[in-house]
Amino acid sequence: QVQLQESGPGLVRPSETLSLTCTVSGDSMNNYYWTWIRQPPGKGLEWIGYVYHSGSTSYNPSLKSRVTISLDTSKNQFSLKLSSVTAADTAVYYCVRDQEGAYGMDVWGQGTTVSVSS
Amino acid sequence: DIQMTQSPPSLSASVGDRVTITCRASQSISGKLNWYQQKPGKAPNLLIFLASTLQNGVPSRFSGSGSGTDFTLTISTLQPEDFGTYYCQQSYIPPLTFGGGTKVDIK
Repeated sequence: QVQLQESGPGLVRPSETLSLTCTVSGDSMNNYYWTWIRQPPGKGLEWIGYVYHSGSTSYNPSLKSRVTISLDTSKNQFSLKLSSVTAADTAVYYCVRDQEGAYGMDVWGQGTTVSVSS
Repeated sequence: DIQMTQSPPSLSASVGDRVTITCRASQSISGKLNWYQQKPGKAPNLLIFLASTLQNGVPSRFSGSGSGTDFTLTISTLQPEDFGTYYCQQSYIPPLTFGGGTKVDIK
């Protein structure tokens, strides 16, 4: 059974870079879109972007200038970097497996809370 | 970006009721519509993909329908464990977008 686990700092200073890693266990990383989703406190879900197993990426235009998502298949991990953070980036961050063929996001990590504060 | 609009934002229903949630896309999404359930403090859970296909392990009281821009999630007989917030999501074209959510409470 595939599982995803986020890891990274829970507190980031304003203007610094948020860095999270997602470790994938129980399956290979082939043929999926490895995705980051975030949810600000009390609000809805926002798609940040994905890295495909080939290494190609797609980002939300609202964050594109600040986001990098990368893949390390040798470690079965993918990562998120979000630069120049502000309080508006405070959220629960989920790593997610999104299936080819628009079959939906079928596996989610438990989520990790990241607060941006000095 | 494709905008996804859900209604109602919230509802309260009794066990055994039939519940319907609607989702409208700002343009046609060729049936590439998914539904998720999220319980407080938990990650969302995929219920339905491609508008009407039930994800493995999801109870058959959940169903989805629709095409073009208009979609519906139906819970045929509401159960106590069905409380939570339901989100639609389009997977037609990036940026992938979600509806604002429908919070379902059990009376």
